[in-house]
Amino acid sequence: KAGVTQTPRYLIKTRGQQVTLSCSPISGHRSVSWYQQTPGQGLQFLFEYFSETQRNKGNFPGRFSGRQFSNSRSEMNVSTLELGDSALYLCASSLESGMANTEAFFGQGTRLTVV
Amino acid sequence: AQTVTQSQPEMSVQEAETVTLSCTYDTSESDYYLFWYKQPPSRQMILVIRQEAYKQQNATENRFSVNFQKAAKSFSLKISDSQLGDAAMYFCAYRDPGAGNMLTFGGGTRLMVKP
Repeated sequence: KAGVTQTPRYLIKTRGQQVTLSCSPISGHRSVSWYQQTPGQGLQFLFEYFSETQRNKGNFPGRFSGRQFSNSRSEMNVSTLELGDSALYLCASSLESGMANTEAFFGQGTRLTVV
Repeated sequence: AQTVTQSQPEMSVQEAETVTLSCTYDTSESDYYLFWYKQPPSRQMILVIRQEAYKQQNATENRFSVNFQKAAKSFSLKISDSQLGDAAMYFCAYRDPGAGNMLTFGGGTRLMVKP
């Protein structure tokens, strides 16, 4: 079956602009989590959506937001981009949320560069 | 808040030899899950092995095994018979079952495999 699909793979934006990233989870999976990966801060949890509801949120400013649609596809939005937002954004798909045998399957990420 | 520490930024191993990657974590929870993820140059995170804290037996997956020391809050990964394809970044991760699918990652260890 198809894996986790993130689009676009690469993106270049200018400071002050906004950006929307998309994640299509594995068919049947209801949980989507987002992570930011940078050389300086490593992998940091942004938020998790489960059945269209935000279940958890990491320690990021309000410029970072997300949503999940009824088909479980998720988008994250970053407004008023800053140079420090340049990062690899990873999406992880899971069948359920918080269950013992839940495994997270990751996409290949979107590389965002802010200039 | 939970923290995960990987004290070895880089490790090197000769092909066919054995290498151990270290990970320590801090938590006040008694029930949790621990993971090792591999991130090759393709950037896609791949689950290598998982351990449930309530299980005393160390997890094993083919050439990969862990040494889980709950009292010491230590979770090391042993790779036996190292192969060139094992070269990648390895991340240790923690999940609290009460926090959905949120993963807390360590800073990573870059593993190089010499032919």
